[in-house]
Amino acid sequence: GESVGLHLPTLSVQEGDNSIINCAYSNSASDYFIWYKQESGKGPQFIIDIRSNMDKRQGQRVTVLLNKTVKHLSLQIAATQPGDSAVYFCAEGSGGSYIPTFGRGTSLIVHP
Amino acid sequence: DSGVTQTPKHLITATGQRVTLRCSPRSGDLSVYWYQQSLDQGLQFLIQYYNGEERAKGNILERFSAQQFPDLHSELNLSSLELGDSALYFCASSVSAGGNQPQHFGDGTRLSIL
Repeated sequence: GESVGLHLPTLSVQEGDNSIINCAYSNSASDYFIWYKQESGKGPQFIIDIRSNMDKRQGQRVTVLLNKTVKHLSLQIAATQPGDSAVYFCAEGSGGSYIPTFGRGTSLIVHP
Repeated sequence: DSGVTQTPKHLITATGQRVTLRCSPRSGDLSVYWYQQSLDQGLQFLIQYYNGEERAKGNILERFSAQQFPDLHSELNLSSLELGDSALYFCASSVSAGGNQPQHFGDGTRLSIL
């Protein structure tokens, strides 16, 4: 499985490229999904969310895709910038559970 | 700025000691969550409070306790500290108690046990 820190999966891209970060979720009952960005020395920051009645949602430069059939979530970042360098992780939740489940994250490194 | 405030930012102490971490939630949020994040583990949920009442418990050790006060700020108490307790401790808040809404995180307290 994935780990934070030294064993974190890493995606390296060039500035201006599009980035795709993937996440597999585990609970078929989950109906709400969130992507967070965590920069070094800071807390996780909410990026975008999607509910299970949708399969795509767009924000500013970001798009989240949800495939419930294979329990897969992806975050697409358009025209990636050095400031996008961070750890990104997904979380799944539902109204019936108080606590969302967090994935362990992917480190995105953007080279100028 | 998430609107969630955590103090102190850094804490250095010795084994066997006790510390208190403080969290002020975002204005209007009734639910507070505590998480532990260490290098070899992801974000581990510890405990949740909603409007002053404990709502859910995760992997929280018996040496750890928390409370949420009437003004909705929360404190996490860690006692009999061990080297393995060194980690980042995050507080998050949300409007209500359900797991189907975004949580807003503070910037954490880095706890170092010497």
